[in-house]
Amino acid sequence: AQRVTQPEKLLSVFKGAPVELKCNYSYSGSPELFWYVQYSRQRLQLLLRHISRESIKGFTADLNKGETSFHLKKPFAQEEDSAMYYCALSPYSGAGSYQLTFGKGTKLSVIP
Amino acid sequence: GAGVSQSPRYKVAKRGQDVALRCDPISGHVSLFWYQQALGQGPEFLTYFQNEAQLDKSGLPSDRFFAERPEGSVSTLKIQRTQQEDSAVYLCASSSIGRTNTEAFFGQGTRLTVV
Repeated sequence: AQRVTQPEKLLSVFKGAPVELKCNYSYSGSPELFWYVQYSRQRLQLLLRHISRESIKGFTADLNKGETSFHLKKPFAQEEDSAMYYCALSPYSGAGSYQLTFGKGTKLSVIP
Repeated sequence: GAGVSQSPRYKVAKRGQDVALRCDPISGHVSLFWYQQALGQGPEFLTYFQNEAQLDKSGLPSDRFFAERPEGSVSTLKIQRTQQEDSAVYLCASSSIGRTNTEAFFGQGTRLTVV
């Protein structure tokens, strides 16, 4: 069975400081990895996925198969980045959002 | 519509009561998913529909949970004889084509509290 671990429940950083939200996973096959974000009083939404190799809102994430990690990074935090972030895994590569396994989430708080 | 719509937004049920949670997906979306999110946890997969067919119900926690999507659009998640451990936010998501490589859009969720 797959598992996603986000070791930090809460992460506080100052505006302009770098951000790294950690995500580790366990799965024996070739999964697809995602980061989802939930802003205050808004619905859960996709931030980025590893197969797209995009940078969204200044965030990037690289899949490290050797370390089974998919950490989310941003060089300069903005106040509007304050939100709940969830790392998620789909066991079927290329299967989009099918049968996602989510981590428990990290609440990012950016201090002005 | 503008997005995935779920109703009711909040539901308080007495233990033992049956509840029905509704999901209106984005028009034309083939795939529909239900997730359960307990307090302080990430969402957990419950079940998946492709059109009206329920292709995966491996995440349903017990036979008290039942989901349907009879016409391939609106879906209902029913919980019979609710128990306190059923208290959670129930999320519905839909996506435009079959499983492959597409984004799922989530609803606001229904917060169920069993007292």
